[in-house]
Amino acid sequence: DAGVTQTPRHEVAEKGQTIILKCEPVSGHNDLFWYRQTKIQGLELLSYFRSKSLMEDGGAFKDRFKAEMLNSSFSTLKIQPTEPKDSAVYLCASRPTANTGQLYFGEGSKLTVL
Amino acid sequence: AQSVTQPDARVTVSEGASLQLRCKYSYSGTPYLFWYVQYQRQGLQLLLKYYSGDPVVQGVNGFEAEFSKSDSSFHLRKASVHWSDSAVYFCAASRIAYKVIFGKGTHLHVLP
Repeated sequence: DAGVTQTPRHEVAEKGQTIILKCEPVSGHNDLFWYRQTKIQGLELLSYFRSKSLMEDGGAFKDRFKAEMLNSSFSTLKIQPTEPKDSAVYLCASRPTANTGQLYFGEGSKLTVL
Repeated sequence: AQSVTQPDARVTVSEGASLQLRCKYSYSGTPYLFWYVQYQRQGLQLLLKYYSGDPVVQGVNGFEAEFSKSDSSFHLRKASVHWSDSAVYFCAASRIAYKVIFGKGTHLHVLP
């Protein structure tokens, strides 16, 4: 089976632009997570979906960050408008069922905002 | 509030030395516990997991971890490290049908 696929791997944006990051979870997985990774804060949860329903939306990220699951095999993370402090690696992960706990991660999308 | 704490941001050891990376959790009840590893420019990969039973769990590449309920800890150990073990290690906790909470990670540097 294919793993979690994230595109693009690298994105450079000007301040104020809108960017969309994409994620394809492992086929058949029910749970999908978006995390932001920085050296200072580590992994911060942005969104958590179960069977396409939003279960948790990271409180500190609600105003400019919006994650959606367009179908069970595709999710997007939109950042609008971008700010330099959004520069980070954005990780997508999926989980087969809520009982196993183990997450399967993509390689991440590195965003640089100038 | 639930939390996972990794008190050491960076650990440096010589190749062949033993290793312990510390992890403490704060959770109501006993969560599922995990250790993940992230090599440079890659996503996180599972090293090992604990659900219940024997408190010492074995993982890949000679890693093991020990769960302690009394201490709320889940420390990672390896008897003899290799330079290729240099990476960032994350401890994580979760419950059934719940989000996964990560520690901030420990950057391991193995000196050749």
